[in-house]
Amino acid sequence: KAGVTQTPRYLIKTRGQQVTLSCSPISGHRSVSWYQQTPGQGLQFLFEYFSETQRNKGNFPGRFSGRQFSNSRSEMNVSTLELGDSALYLCASSDTGSTDTQYFGPGTRLTVL
Amino acid sequence: AQSVTQPDIHITVSEGASLELRCNYSYGATPYLFWYVQSPGQGLQLLLKYFSGDTLVQGIKGFEAEFKRSQSSFNLRKPSVHWSDAAEYFCAVAFNDMRFGAGTRLTVKP
Repeated sequence: KAGVTQTPRYLIKTRGQQVTLSCSPISGHRSVSWYQQTPGQGLQFLFEYFSETQRNKGNFPGRFSGRQFSNSRSEMNVSTLELGDSALYLCASSDTGSTDTQYFGPGTRLTVL
Repeated sequence: AQSVTQPDIHITVSEGASLELRCNYSYGATPYLFWYVQSPGQGLQLLLKYFSGDTLVQGIKGFEAEFKRSQSSFNLRKPSVHWSDAAEYFCAVAFNDMRFGAGTRLTVKP
């Protein structure tokens, strides 16, 4: 089976812009979770989608949002970008949810200037 | 508060030496436990996991971990480290969601 894919791999934006990241899970997986990874805060849970519904949400401002499509592909959107949003954004998919074994994509490296 | 702690930020071992990476968690009940490894510029790869049963868990690449309920620990071990094991290692616990420790960076000396 193909692994989790994320596009784009690298992205440069300026403050105030918005960005959309995409994640395609492993075929058959219904759960997609998003994480933000920074040197200072480490890996932090953003949210989880399961069968097109947000099932869990981390402690991030409303500028961070996501959605999941009927084919389980997921997108994450960050509006009004801030310098602190620069991070590696990781997507993970699993069969049943974020408490199950998760398979990670390579990440999208977002730089905000 | 629920938390997962990796006390060692950076560990250096010689190639061929044994390795133990520590992980402690603080939860009301026993969560699901995982160890992941991340190489530079890569996503995370699952090494092993513990859900229930035998407290000594075998994983990929020769790694094993032991769950100790009394100590709320899930330490990762490898008897003989290879240069290719140099990476960052994350302990993770899953209860309502998955939470990661801060990570331990492993350097392997030749």
